Amino acid sequence: GNSVTQMEGPVTLSEEAFLTINCTYTATGYPSLFWYVQYPGEGLQLLLKATKADDKGSNKGFEATYRKETTSFHLEKGSVQVSDSAVYFCALSEMYSGGGADGLTFGKGTHLIIQP
Amino acid sequence: DTAVSQTPKYLVTQMGNDKSIKCEQNLGHDTMYWYKQDSKKFLKIMFSYNNKELIINETVPNRFSPKSPDKAHLNLHINSLELGDSAVYFCASSPAGGGGPQHFGDGTRLSIL
Repeated sequence: GNSVTQMEGPVTLSEEAFLTINCTYTATGYPSLFWYVQYPGEGLQLLLKATKADDKGSNKGFEATYRKETTSFHLEKGSVQVSDSAVYFCALSEMYSGGGADGLTFGKGTHLIIQP
Repeated sequence: DTAVSQTPKYLVTQMGNDKSIKCEQNLGHDTMYWYKQDSKKFLKIMFSYNNKELIINETVPNRFSPKSPDKAHLNLHINSLELGDSAVYFCASSPAGGGGPQHFGDGTRLSIL
């Protein structure tokens, strides 16, 4: 079956520090990869996505590159802000062979805390 | 205009009761989902509906039953609530075909007393 593994944290950084959250996956097919962010008391928001090997997703200064050879999709940001404090989820989705839609398989989430 | 809305936001009830959570999406998507997020923030797919047909039913107890009156709505009914059902339940939707991003509601926090 499919699975996603990510560092669980909490990860505590100072403002303007460089961020990396590691994510690796196992999939039976060729999945699409996502990062979602959950701010306290809110639902999940799509942060970025990549649908094929070597694609780079980017949004709000965050980036992640789909690496098929290492089955990884690590999230990076050059300079974090206090407002980036949240829980970050790596996820994958595959289509069923019959063309139906698949649910997302999530990692366990990484709690990021940015201190001023 | 909220894309995926679910009600209620909070639900506090006694063990053994039956309750429902409603979800509506105005994105014109063909597929809707229910996820459960436990106290450790772990998210797991429960159900998926594509054009009113159930296409995923993960190993959830049959006390949980999704009901989709039309493709814009996917409600979750829970019978005989148990303490372990306490969690945050998220509704989501996506275009047909899968592999794409899903849009999530704000969640319903269910607390069983």
